[in-house]
Amino acid sequence: NFMLTQPHSVSESPGKTVTISCTRSSGRIASNYVQWYQQRPGSAPTTVIYRDDQRPSGVPDRFSGSIDSSSNSASLTISGLKTEDEADYYCQSYDSSGVFGGGTKLTVL
Amino acid sequence: EAQLLEFGGGLVQPGGSLRLSCAASGFTFRNYAMGWVRQAPGQGLEWVSGIDGSGVTTFYADSVKGRFTISRDNSKNTVYLQMDSLRAEDTAVYYCVKDYDSWNVGLIIYWGQGTLVTVSS
Repeated sequence: NFMLTQPHSVSESPGKTVTISCTRSSGRIASNYVQWYQQRPGSAPTTVIYRDDQRPSGVPDRFSGSIDSSSNSASLTISGLKTEDEADYYCQSYDSSGVFGGGTKLTVL
Repeated sequence: EAQLLEFGGGLVQPGGSLRLSCAASGFTFRNYAMGWVRQAPGQGLEWVSGIDGSGVTTFYADSVKGRFTISRDNSKNTVYLQMDSLRAEDTAVYYCVKDYDSWNVGLIIYWGQGTLVTVSS
């Protein structure tokens, strides 16, 4: 199976834009949809992006997802950062089994 | 609004068994694949197992294959995870998850609140 690699941590100031990358180790990134999950401390994860770039109802349009076949990676972009966006973010895909990235800790300071 | 309520977590000795249940409501259960994801203390997320909407096709992570069994009862809107031969490294919060459709096992859309399983003597 493949692996998904994310940066361990990122930080940015309120109001700015941050992008978190997720690189697939083998196979094409476009072969299977990519999802992104937000997990605040002490809480269950929630889905912020599914099927590469779709937002569930209730997720603000400040969150967007994309894939880039040239780098075989997916990205989560959060614009207009708020302190409430501070959380762990996980990318995920699947191919007969689910695969998670290691998670990225986003600090908004 | 979908709701997933997990039951059955607790303390179990190494080598023991435990069955987790997840009661679903707010959607047509049989139309969606379901699964389980776990998170060990202070660690990241690990996909454990999934089952398609009909209950015919199941998938497992290598780490639990042969020890865990996923099943579902569409008449009761419930998915189960039977965990046997438990090890200390199975200690984690186990989340029940709902997938995007009936057949894309692992395309997770919705999460339950989780139930803690502790394997210790």
